[in-house]
Amino acid sequence: DGGITQSPKYLFRKEGQNVTLSCEQNLNHDAMYWYRQDPGQGLRLIYYSQIVNDFQKGDIAEGYSVSREKKESFPLTVTSAQKNPTAFYLCASSQITGELFFGEGSRLTVL
Amino acid sequence: AQSVTQLGSHVSVSEGALVLLRCNYSSSVPPYLFWYVQYPNQGLQLLLKYTTGATLVKGINGFEAEFKKSETSFHLTKPSAHMSDAAEYFCAASWTSGSRLTFGEGTQLTVNP
Repeated sequence: DGGITQSPKYLFRKEGQNVTLSCEQNLNHDAMYWYRQDPGQGLRLIYYSQIVNDFQKGDIAEGYSVSREKKESFPLTVTSAQKNPTAFYLCASSQITGELFFGEGSRLTVL
Repeated sequence: AQSVTQLGSHVSVSEGALVLLRCNYSSSVPPYLFWYVQYPNQGLQLLLKYTTGATLVKGINGFEAEFKKSETSFHLTKPSAHMSDAAEYFCAASWTSGSRLTFGEGTQLTVNP
């Protein structure tokens, strides 16, 4: 079945470490997105990419980095510069109609 | 700036009662509108969407929403709540085809037996 796969589902990190969250889609969508979700704050856009080898900052890009080397893949790196990285991270993709399809999410906890 | 507002961060209903979750957008230009549902520790699933045409939109799980341009609203309803409807619901909008979505802050729905 077509869909979006995020891994790992749960991840623990020590302070000062970089971690990379994986997002793969087989929906043949051009656009991909990363959102951060915190309790009571809804979804906040970190980065998005509308085409391979191109991406744009969202509303809260500081402390994060992404790459888009393949259409199917849009990994997110949470760097040590992100001061409060504990959150639920959601990857999504879309076609031109704008409807987003979401992965199951990755929960990152900083120890 | 264009925004989406969901009135009520928490809504509680009894099983069998009407569900009404409110969503308003701030723009004179009507957007494309979406409702998503999220169960604990899962991603978001599309319930329904409005792009053009009929203003009453039917979605999955018995939900529907009506686009009212004069009220800049897109409220979500279900005639009879089930226990399985307990989840968080997000309203979202985009103002051009293919543009990024703007999300509301979500409404947590509790269904009491």
